[in-house]
Amino acid sequence: QKEVEQDPGPLSVPEGAIVSLNCTYSNSAFQYFMWYRQYSRKGPELLMYTYSSGNKEDGRFTAQVDKSSKYISLFIRDSQPSDSATYLCAMSALPGAGSYQLTFGKGTKLSVIP
Amino acid sequence: EPEVTQTPSHQVTQMGQEVILRCVPISNHLYFYWYRQILGQKVEFLVSFYNNEISEKSEIFDDQFSVERPDGSNFTLKIRSTKLEDSAMYFCASTRGFQETQYFGPGTRLLVL
Repeated sequence: QKEVEQDPGPLSVPEGAIVSLNCTYSNSAFQYFMWYRQYSRKGPELLMYTYSSGNKEDGRFTAQVDKSSKYISLFIRDSQPSDSATYLCAMSALPGAGSYQLTFGKGTKLSVIP
Repeated sequence: EPEVTQTPSHQVTQMGQEVILRCVPISNHLYFYWYRQILGQKVEFLVSFYNNEISEKSEIFDDQFSVERPDGSNFTLKIRSTKLEDSAMYFCASTRGFQETQYFGPGTRLLVL
């Protein structure tokens, strides 16, 4: 079983739509959760960082973590064409073995159509 | 805003040649990382580095790979004898403290022929 599963898409939505992106994970040691945005042939850019279960909001972006279900989500409200990118979920563990590294999902490619 | 920089942006090399990829982390950061992304695949962890030594490394980071912080600003990844399967995008990342968010550079695209 893969550690982090993420539907690669592609996902195409009209401008203004609400976008929902999701990841599931199997490793209970993961405690820190991130969403990165990656434009084509560029480095990942941090969007959201969460630790606890629940919601965290930043502008049009909301990150949701459900540790009991091992499920995380990113919601984008009022999506814009500039949001078109690949969205990567990433996770890391508490201090100890494997704790420095981020484990990534494969990324979901999003296109927002004007 | 401070950012991680990487050079070169693209490198083409022949199989068996040595390559050195360079990174300048954000200036007050203390933890440094290398990741790679083969085209169409996940970003994969290679190695983390703190206090002038490797903290963790993945199975990918075998004896062909080494890292170094030769001075107070640069952080390098050396591949001793490149293979075709080393062709990938290599990303450097840095953090100020342990378990803080990792900031990524723009990457070096390595093509091994």
